[in-house]
Amino acid sequence: DSGVTQTPKHLITATGQRVTLRCSPRSGDLSVYWYQQSLDQGLQFLIQYYNGEERAKGNILERFSAQQFPDLHSELNLSSLELGDSALYFCASTDRENGYNEQFFGPGTRLTVL
Amino acid sequence: AQSVTQPDIHITVSEGASLELRCNYSYGATPYLFWYVQSPGQGLQLLLKYFSGDTLVQGIKGFEAEFKRSQSSFNLRKPSVHWSDAAEYFCAADVMDSSYKLIFGSGTRLLVRP
Repeated sequence: DSGVTQTPKHLITATGQRVTLRCSPRSGDLSVYWYQQSLDQGLQFLIQYYNGEERAKGNILERFSAQQFPDLHSELNLSSLELGDSALYFCASTDRENGYNEQFFGPGTRLTVL
Repeated sequence: AQSVTQPDIHITVSEGASLELRCNYSYGATPYLFWYVQSPGQGLQLLLKYFSGDTLVQGIKGFEAEFKRSQSSFNLRKPSVHWSDAAEYFCAADVMDSSYKLIFGSGTRLLVRP
């Protein structure tokens, strides 16, 4: 158990809909990362937050957005969903306060868009 | 562009045989390097990491990896594979910018013959 939790585990929805994925980082970790794992694109970095502020953006579509709340949990919002958005979405967290550390991954949310 | 390459999509080995999974990186400087394992339907578990120092690093589950600067490689090895090692293995590199996001290779799926 990495200490990172993600809900829901599975999500099935229709094209055009909007969903919200939730991530709770390890206790004390200020950095949260979102990654997308799809069959055609592999594992790709989407976005990073550090202590409530956006720190870096990767290949994240404009239809996607994220935020990190004061309690450090993060949400990834996906809107106007398309079939190609079906993927496994991972959240990871890390502690940068005590030097470099690896990222700890949650179990992922599997999104299926029908 | 920064990249991580895993040239083998699939590898099949017999139980008890040795294993080597290849990983090459393309960066201006030596990045921090990682190997993660993903079992079917599961999240990503860190096997080992290289930051600096000794180029042979030991990880969990009997895995080790050797960093070779001259070859820009970070190959994963295990002397004797167990059936439970069947999974997908990802090599990743930290891009060493302020975000510390990870760039992943495309993964190698390991199949273990009984």
